[in-house]
Amino acid sequence: RKEVEQDPGPFNVPEGATVAFNCTYSNSASQSFFWYRQDCRKEPKLLMSVYSSGNEDGRFTAQLNRASQYISLLIRDSKLSDSATYLCVVNKRWTGNQFYFGTGTSLTVIP
Amino acid sequence: SAVISQKPSRDICQRGTSLTIQCQVDSQVTMMFWYRQQPGQSLTLIATANQGSEATYESGFVIDKFPISRPNLTFSTLTVSNMSPEDSSIYLCSVDKNTGELFFGEGSRLTVL
Repeated sequence: RKEVEQDPGPFNVPEGATVAFNCTYSNSASQSFFWYRQDCRKEPKLLMSVYSSGNEDGRFTAQLNRASQYISLLIRDSKLSDSATYLCVVNKRWTGNQFYFGTGTSLTVIP
Repeated sequence: SAVISQKPSRDICQRGTSLTIQCQVDSQVTMMFWYRQQPGQSLTLIATANQGSEATYESGFVIDKFPISRPNLTFSTLTVSNMSPEDSSIYLCSVDKNTGELFFGEGSRLTVL
């Protein structure tokens, strides 16, 4: 079973729409959770960390449900510049600090 | 943040040959990681490069195929040995500066003919 599973999409949404991405992880002892963004032909970059209490950064809201081993990312008022692949990432520090990536969810925001 | 330089940025190689990818970080880091991203797929961790000891490989990856060096706290190399077309991929070096964030190099795009 994969460490991290994501719906690959693609999601094609109009500008201004709200879109949600979901992710599940297999190891209940995972410690840290993140959403990364990867633009075409570029390296991944951190979008935001995900905390149990939930966190918000402008138009982006991330949620973690440890009981269900579920992570989500909500993007409100989508912009053209949000078009990218969004990667769900889980960190297991106790086994050497490895980071495990989901397959990524592709988002295209259409004018 | 971290500035990570990878070389080469891209290469085209013949099957059966080997290629060494270099990764230089602008500051000392404890842990460096090597990932592979095959076309249209996400990142797969190959190994963790430890300074002063052998690399720790993930399931499906072995030292004979992907030997790694880590001579100091700012530098690592990954060699892709005896290449086949299935090794065509982007190879990414990354570091964790104990902030919980991974920083990546720009990647080395390898094509094996």
